[in-house]
Amino acid sequence: NAGVTQTPKFQVLKTGQSMTLQCAQDMNHNSMYWYRQDPGMGLRLIYYSASEGTTDKGEVPNGYNVSRLNKREFSLRLESAAPSQTSVYFCASSESLPRPLMDEQYFGPGTRLTVT
Amino acid sequence: AQSVTQLDSHVSVSEGTPVLLRCNYSSSYSPSLFWYVQHPNKGLQLLLKYTSAATLVKGINGFEAEFKKSETSFHLTKPSAHMSDAAEYFCVVSAPFSNDYKLSFGAGTTVTVRA
Repeated sequence: NAGVTQTPKFQVLKTGQSMTLQCAQDMNHNSMYWYRQDPGMGLRLIYYSASEGTTDKGEVPNGYNVSRLNKREFSLRLESAAPSQTSVYFCASSESLPRPLMDEQYFGPGTRLTVT
Repeated sequence: AQSVTQLDSHVSVSEGTPVLLRCNYSSSYSPSLFWYVQHPNKGLQLLLKYTSAATLVKGINGFEAEFKKSETSFHLTKPSAHMSDAAEYFCVVSAPFSNDYKLSFGAGTTVTVRA
């Protein structure tokens, strides 16, 4: 099993450009998550999907959109990138229903995004 | 409100000596508590979790943590540090909040192991 995979690994954008970060998991998990990691701030939840067909905002959703394409895939879109979105982005998944945020999560390797 | 405080941003230990990483939390409800480890340029990996069973939780790689409700703490320990323990460690709390659940990460503790 590959676990949680993310593409791309690195990306440089100019302010105002758009892009989509891709995430896939092969563990048949119900719930999937997107985080950003900034120095000294731990991880902050952007959006999550408790199950296929549902998405919910996390702590820092502004400037992002998500799509739960199917049970395996959960993408994160930046419509108009800003320098404040420079960060490392992690996707994660967990089995958990009915309590999607209460279970062990499995993380992907991350995407380093720089917005200039 | 729910929050997590990791009391040390950086801990330096000698190989073979004990490691203590401190975590305090606040939550209005019975939480689930986790410790994750992140090695450089990698994703996070679960070390251990507390979900209202035994208060002393054993994890991978010789780590363990004790849940102390009276002190609202969940400190992580290891009796003897190894060079491979050099990494960043995150304490995480998750609990019911309003009609949903809330997940909070601590800011992280960087562990350096000296030979």
